[in-house]
Amino acid sequence: AQSVAQPEDQVNVAEGNPLTVKCTYSVSGNPYLFWYVQYPNRGLQFLLKYITGDNLVKGSYGFEAEFNKSQTSFHLKKPSALVSDSALYFCAVRDTNAGKSTFGDGTTLTVKP
Amino acid sequence: DADVTQTPRNRITKTGKRIMLECSQTKGHDRMYWYRQDPGLGLRLIYYSFDVKDINKGEISDGYSVSRQAQAKFSLSLESAIPNQTALYFCATSDRHFTFEQFFGPGTRLTVL
Repeated sequence: AQSVAQPEDQVNVAEGNPLTVKCTYSVSGNPYLFWYVQYPNRGLQFLLKYITGDNLVKGSYGFEAEFNKSQTSFHLKKPSALVSDSALYFCAVRDTNAGKSTFGDGTTLTVKP
Repeated sequence: DADVTQTPRNRITKTGKRIMLECSQTKGHDRMYWYRQDPGLGLRLIYYSFDVKDINKGEISDGYSVSRQAQAKFSLSLESAIPNQTALYFCATSDRHFTFEQFFGPGTRLTVL
């Protein structure tokens, strides 16, 4: 069975500082990994994904994520946080056999001015 | 117009009532999903459908049923609502290949009294 862990319920950073939102996964076979963001009263929006290739994946709004196979991690990063990045972030892994995704519990990112 | 729409956006109902949540998409995707979101529990899959004739149970399907009326429409029903079904419900779609991300509707906030 596949699973995703987001070990931090909450991440607080100051505007302009780098941010990291952590994600680790467990899946049989090749991992297909995704990050989504949810703003208040909105549905989830896709940020970026890792399918294959370069371990550093770039996505929307200046976000990037680093895939580390040995550590089974897929941490979300941004070099300089903005107040507008404050939101709920979800990591997800897709099971290539069944085609459905498993989501982490989410991490609330708060960026303070 | 939004690619994935959900109706109603908010609903308050009483225990024992039957309720239907509807989802429509204009993305032309074959795959559709229903999730519920509870604070601290992330997104949990209720049902998913890979095409009109293919419907599958997710991890929390008890107490729910679905209907895939057309490629573009996927409805979720609560036959006899109970208070612990109070949650935020999301519909999502994705393209056929498992490397593709999901697109989410804006959500339906359901309260069962």
